[in-house]
Amino acid sequence: NAGVTQTPKFRILKIGQSMTLQCTQDMNHNYMYWYRQDPGMGLKLIYYSVGAGITDKGEVPNGYNVSRSTTEDFPLRLELAAPSQTSVYFCASRLPQGLGAFFGQGTRLTVV
Amino acid sequence: GQQLNQSPQSMFIQEGEDVSMNCTSSSIFNTWLWYKQDPGEGPVLLIALYKAGELTSNGRLTAQFGITRKDSFLNISASIPSDVGIYFCAGLRDTGNQFYFGTGTSLTVIP
Repeated sequence: NAGVTQTPKFRILKIGQSMTLQCTQDMNHNYMYWYRQDPGMGLKLIYYSVGAGITDKGEVPNGYNVSRSTTEDFPLRLELAAPSQTSVYFCASRLPQGLGAFFGQGTRLTVV
Repeated sequence: GQQLNQSPQSMFIQEGEDVSMNCTSSSIFNTWLWYKQDPGEGPVLLIALYKAGELTSNGRLTAQFGITRKDSFLNISASIPSDVGIYFCAGLRDTGNQFYFGTGTSLTVIP
């Protein structure tokens, strides 16, 4: 099992550009999450999904969009990149009945 | 958003020493989790706690679910250099699907 896989690992964007951060998991987990982590800080929830076709906003959703067309994939879209979106983005997944979430290795995004 | 406060913010200890850190919240959680994050990596789950008062161990790590359900504690015994990293607590309420993460405790172990 690969677990939670995120691509790309690193990306530099110019202000106003758009991009999609990919996340896929092979554990058949219903729940998936996107977090961002700013330097020296904890993780803030951007969006989450409890199953295919269902998404909900987290604490900091502005400037992002998500979709969940399959159980495996949960892409995060930035439409108009801003410097404030410079961060490390983590995708995670879990089963509904407990245990903690399993995290991907992260995508380091810089917006210049 | 929900704020979980961890203390201390950072620790510098000698190899072989024991470590204690805690996490407090103004709200009740029904699940507490402890994660470790190595540089450049995603957080990795260490211990999960599901019941108030519960004490759970994972090797040299022991965590407790506070009686008030508003706090949790993590202890590491006989620290070794590979314990270096950032430790995060996270809380989950039964009524929600969101994990709320603490601010992190950075641990440095001096050989």
